[in-house]
Amino acid sequence: GENVEQHPSTLSVQEGDSAVIKCTYSDSASNYFPWYKQELGKGPQLIIDIRSNVGEKKDQRIAVTLNKTAKHFSLHITETQPEDSAVYFCAASIGNQFYFGTGTSLTVIP
Amino acid sequence: DADVTQTPRNRITKTGKRIMLECSQTKGHDRMYWYRQDPGLGLRLIYYSFDVKDINKGEISDGYSVSRQAQAKFSLSLESAIPNQTALYFCATSDPTGPGETQYFGPGTRLLVL
Repeated sequence: GENVEQHPSTLSVQEGDSAVIKCTYSDSASNYFPWYKQELGKGPQLIIDIRSNVGEKKDQRIAVTLNKTAKHFSLHITETQPEDSAVYFCAASIGNQFYFGTGTSLTVIP
Repeated sequence: DADVTQTPRNRITKTGKRIMLECSQTKGHDRMYWYRQDPGLGLRLIYYSFDVKDINKGEISDGYSVSRQAQAKFSLSLESAIPNQTALYFCATSDPTGPGETQYFGPGTRLLVL
């Protein structure tokens, strides 16, 4: 089955700096890559996603890049704010199933 | 997300007990999922259902069963709970007709098995 690895597991940045979280996947058949943000006591919420026919997608301060050849995708958050502090999960989808990374705990220091 | 609700939010039970976790959704989605979340392991799929008559095992279904009572309801049962089933459980729904098969998660049920 698909194997998704996510790094780093924890990340601390100063407010206003950028944060980058990276994921790799193993199955080249994966074709949909969502990113979720999980705040304390809540379920994960989708923040951005990308399909395998696109290399980059941006939504305000967040962007995702996909390298199909290398089988990796990354989340970029610019101008970080304290409210960006949360756990972020990447996922890869094949057919009807989603495979999640192990999560990155992001702390933005004011 | 208020569109996906889970009950109870917290549960403490003893080894060997049978318990049920319930999930309801008002999003009108056919697809529903149960995941468990463990520290350092991310989210792992237990069962999923694409409509009322469809039930499929996920990555870690052993020790669990599910029931899809209606389009809006999907229950997860632990027939005989054991301590390593202590985890955070999430229900999710999705709509495959959307631009991407976004999953919408409930708030989670924190389960402790003593």
